[in-house]
Amino acid sequence: EIVMTQSPATLSVSPGERATLSCRASQSVSSNLAWYQQKPGQAPRLLIYGASTRATGIPARFSGSGSGTEFTLTISSLQSEDFAVYYCQQYNNWPSGTFGQGTKLEIK
Amino acid sequence: EVQLVESGGGLVQPGRSLRLSCAASGFTFDDYAMHWVRQAPGKGLEWVSGISWNSGSIGYADSVKGRFTISRDNAKNSLYLQMNSLRAEDTALYYCAKGMIAVAAPYDYWGQGTLVTVSS
Repeated sequence: EIVMTQSPATLSVSPGERATLSCRASQSVSSNLAWYQQKPGQAPRLLIYGASTRATGIPARFSGSGSGTEFTLTISSLQSEDFAVYYCQQYNNWPSGTFGQGTKLEIK
Repeated sequence: EVQLVESGGGLVQPGRSLRLSCAASGFTFDDYAMHWVRQAPGKGLEWVSGISWNSGSIGYADSVKGRFTISRDNAKNSLYLQMNSLRAEDTALYYCAKGMIAVAAPYDYWGQGTLVTVSS
């Protein structure tokens, strides 16, 4: 089973600043990596797939990078609506779709 | 508009069974893989099970293997999760999620979830 590890668990950033979230896979997942955003009381929303492709309607301030075992989600200039929990997910070992434990992005 | 509506959750005693359903609309159901993902109260997301467009490929998390069974009825645009031998640790909000394509892909649409509580 592929284990996904996200860091940090909590990230405190001021609005307008850049946030960088990390995700590591226990073995290579190629570029089969997605990022999701979840706000309280809501279902997750797909942000990034293929490690770096933004999903439909996702603002350009969200970007993803990496391949193999190391991945990064960057939010270039934080808006108030971006404070949420972010999850990475591998889908290389389909149909398994292992998630990371999440990173909570909070207002500093 | 894509819609996924889960149902079938509720309070159930340990060791009993429950069947979840997910009604899909707004897309060609039999073109896409489907999944169940759960979230225990205050916890993160856990992939539970996935099924390919034609039911030819199915997978389960180790935590539910041998107890849960995923299935789909393409004629009824519906996804199911039969949950047997339920345990307290199965308590969670269960989401139905649509894959972006027929097989290996992330999930572009999610339902709002159905809550399963396992308790005596």
